[in-house]
Amino acid sequence: ETGVTQTPRHLVMGMTNKKSLKCEQHLGHNAMYWYKQSAKKPLELMFVYSLEERVENNSVPSRFSPECPNSSHLFLHLHTLQPEDSALYLCASSQAREPLHFGNGTRLTVT
Amino acid sequence: QKEVEQNSGPLSVPEGAIASLNCTYSDRGSQSFFWYRQYSGKSPELIMSIYSNGDKEDGRFTAQLNKASQYVSLLIRDSQPSDSATYLCAVNKGASGTYKYIFGTGTRLKVLA
Repeated sequence: ETGVTQTPRHLVMGMTNKKSLKCEQHLGHNAMYWYKQSAKKPLELMFVYSLEERVENNSVPSRFSPECPNSSHLFLHLHTLQPEDSALYLCASSQAREPLHFGNGTRLTVT
Repeated sequence: QKEVEQNSGPLSVPEGAIASLNCTYSDRGSQSFFWYRQYSGKSPELIMSIYSNGDKEDGRFTAQLNKASQYVSLLIRDSQPSDSATYLCAVNKGASGTYKYIFGTGTRLKVLA
């Protein structure tokens, strides 16, 4: 596999569920990112991990919990989400200041 | 003031014309600039990156950067209907945020056949 892969592609969950999004990068990059994309809003940076350490956390609600076990894998754990959390969640990787490479995204619907 | 600003469009151009997309940014310390194309329901894909003042050409695409004016643009020559998409401008904040990439809201481009 090449590039950045995200699973699942689509996810529907109730507000009381717990689920996780998974991301894997095969590019040898040293940073991984979670972005949220809602309709008519710019991409919102949620979390950044560099060399497995969290370096950015953009005041994201605690119902979103990231995990970066190594430089190639990134997870986003979800629990007790709200309907307004429905969005496209994008994982990306990069070397510092170089272009971001995005995965295909997870379309999340919270019912 | 938004950190990265783009006109949301839609920008409509006839097939074969030049499409000109513009972006301004607020942080003078920004060092890396990127243009992404995003089709509806898909993830952004990189078209161009530019790091120094001037023009950078790649096929039908030309990126232009003017750091003094805090302005970056993308020209698409010989526009095709397949170029119809949303174009996102992204800026890396450099010294004030090595891993901080800020995106504009995007400009929707429609190329009319």
